[in-house]
Amino acid sequence: EIVLTQSPATLSLSPGERATLSCRASHSVSSYLAWYQQKPGQAPRLLIYDTSNRATGIPARFNGSGSGTDFTLTISSLEPEDFAIYHCQYCSNWFTFGQGTKLEIK
Amino acid sequence: QLQLQESGPGLAKPSATLSLTCAVSGGSIRSSGYYWGWIRQPPGKGLEWIGSLYFSGYTEYNPSLRSRATISVDTSNNQFSVKLTSVTAADAAVYYCARQVISAGGLGWFDPWGQGFLVTVSS
Repeated sequence: EIVLTQSPATLSLSPGERATLSCRASHSVSSYLAWYQQKPGQAPRLLIYDTSNRATGIPARFNGSGSGTDFTLTISSLEPEDFAIYHCQYCSNWFTFGQGTKLEIK
Repeated sequence: QLQLQESGPGLAKPSATLSLTCAVSGGSIRSSGYYWGWIRQPPGKGLEWIGSLYFSGYTEYNPSLRSRATISVDTSNNQFSVKLTSVTAADAAVYYCARQVISAGGLGWFDPWGQGFLVTVSS
């Protein structure tokens, strides 16, 4: 069973700063990794699929990278609406999600 | 624009069966290349995939829930459902339905999601 570990659990940054969120898999997951953004009281929204492909309508400041066991979601310059919880997700035989990283305003 | 909407009883009694339906609008549940999935999120916790189905009726389940979960489709009404038997307090969660986009190598990803439906388990 693949386990996804996201770090840090909480990231405190200011608007305009660069955010780097990590997702580490217990075993290689090839490129089958997605990222979601979830705001309070809302459903998750797909940001990135297959490691680095932005979903429709996702701003270019969101970028995904990585391979094997180590993946990163980078937000190049934080906008006020970017403060939320971010989840990574692996999909092969079944779906596994990370525990989430909360991106909060410093 | 594809939209999904969960509905059902918001309260389930311990040991009873939880049943939820997801109505799909703005697109057909028969569309090829897509599965339809259920995911849940206990309050303050992470996401857990319950299972997914194809419009033909083929299903995949999370091994940890396979013995208690059943997902079915109603193509005539463009909706799909989940039943979870023998519920306990641990099954209290926001339940989401979502379209699963099938990828070339894996099961894919979920987009879009329904708004979510809170289910409480209490006697």
